[in-house]
Amino acid sequence: AQSVSQHNHHVILSEAASLELGCNYSYGGTVNLFWYVQYPGQHLQLLLKYFSGDPLVKGIKGFEAEFIKSKFSFNLRKPSVQWSDTAEYFCAVNAPEGNNDMRFGAGTRLTVKP
Amino acid sequence: DTEVTQTPKHLVMGMTNKKSLKCEQHMGHRAMYWYKQKAKKPPELMFVYSYEKLSINESVPSRFSPECPNSSLLNLHLHALQPEDSALYLCASSHPLGGAGDEQYFGPGTRLTVT
Repeated sequence: AQSVSQHNHHVILSEAASLELGCNYSYGGTVNLFWYVQYPGQHLQLLLKYFSGDPLVKGIKGFEAEFIKSKFSFNLRKPSVQWSDTAEYFCAVNAPEGNNDMRFGAGTRLTVKP
Repeated sequence: DTEVTQTPKHLVMGMTNKKSLKCEQHMGHRAMYWYKQKAKKPPELMFVYSYEKLSINESVPSRFSPECPNSSLLNLHLHALQPEDSALYLCASSHPLGGAGDEQYFGPGTRLTVT
């Protein structure tokens, strides 16, 4: 089965700083990759996803992620964070040939100081 | 309509109670999911229904009993829960089979407290 690891548990940045959150997955086959965000007190929302094609995907709110197959990675980036980006970020993976089994990483808590 | 709704928002129950959580979506999705999320932890998959049939049960204790009465509804029946079952229970839906990036749409969750 697939698994996901997120290296950063808690990241603290000042506004306008650049962000990169690491995500690595473990699975031998084709994967779909996702980044979800959970703002305080709100439900999980999809930021972006990769399933095929251009490995650099752009999502909502200025986020992007790059799929590097050779590194089994799908890191999330944003050039300039805002205070409103304070949230929990989850990387997730499922296998297209699988059985809808979505696996989430442990999450990274991002705190942006104004 | 890209919304998954869940009721109730909050539930407090004793260890001898029987209660049910409800989830509904009208996006035509034929896969529905229950997750459990503890504070500051990722969602943990509990059950997956595909075309109204249970396709995954992640070794969840029998005190949790899922039900999918039709393609829009998903229930989670609770009986004889333990305090450690207190958590946020999330429902999600998606197209049934993996393929073109089938993301899951999540509901707001039911905050369950077992006393």
